[in-house]
Amino acid sequence: EVQLVQSGAEVKKPGESLKISCKGSGYSFSSYWIAWVRQMPGKGLEWMGIIYPGDSDTKYSPSFQGQVTISADKSISTAYLQWSSLKASDTAMYYCAKHFYSGSYYAPFDYWGQGTLVTVSS
Amino acid sequence: QSVLTQPPSASGTPGQRVTISCSGSSSNIGRNTVNWYQQLPGTAPKLLIYSNNQRPSGVPDRFSGSKSGTSASLAISGLQSEDEADYFCAARDDTLNGVVFGGGTKLTVL
Repeated sequence: EVQLVQSGAEVKKPGESLKISCKGSGYSFSSYWIAWVRQMPGKGLEWMGIIYPGDSDTKYSPSFQGQVTISADKSISTAYLQWSSLKASDTAMYYCAKHFYSGSYYAPFDYWGQGTLVTVSS
Repeated sequence: QSVLTQPPSASGTPGQRVTISCSGSSSNIGRNTVNWYQQLPGTAPKLLIYSNNQRPSGVPDRFSGSKSGTSASLAISGLQSEDEADYFCAARDDTLNGVVFGGGTKLTVL
C-alpha cells in the first residue's frame, strides 16, 4: 500500500527555522517526483515545488523560490520542506504528494500525505 | 487570487447532477490537461479526474470531466451526501512554469 506519512504539527515563533518531513512507502520512492502543496487557513491549494528523490533534482514555483528549500534523502525514502526564517504568513497546512506517473514535472498527484500544520506566532 | 477561476460554491439535492466550472487561459488550460481533486472536510485532497476526463481506479463513474478551449468542467451525477466537499481544478501553466490551482468550489448537498 502506497503511503506518505508526514511529520507532526509545529508551533514556531517568527524568525525560527523549521524542517518538516514526508516519508514514503509502498512504492519506489526514488522513481517518482514528490510535490509540496500549501493550503493557508480556509484557502485553496498552492504548488510550491517538486523534487525527484532519485537525484534530488528540484523545481520551485516562482512564488516560493528563495523562501523555502526542498530536499530528499532517498536512503530513507523521505522528502523535506524547510524554512530558515519563518514568518507569520507561513502559517498553513503543508501537504506532500506523489506524482501519478514519472517522466513529467507536472503530473497529477495520486497519493497525498496527511498534512503538517505549521503555526507561526509570537 | 487564483490563476484558475472556479465558482466559490455549488449545491444540489441527492440524485441530482451538478457541474463545477474551471476557467483558465491559453497558458494553462488552453494547452494543457486538467486534473480535479476532491477534499473532504479535514482531510487531504484526493485525485478525482486526471488528463481532462480520466478516472483513477476506485473513483465512481458518477464523476466525469471535460475540457473545451480554456475551460474545463467537473460533473457529478447521482449526487450523494458523501460528495459534500471542496473541489479543485489544476493544470500546468507554461508562463508560470508550474502547476496552478483553482480557488476551489464548496459543494453542498441539500
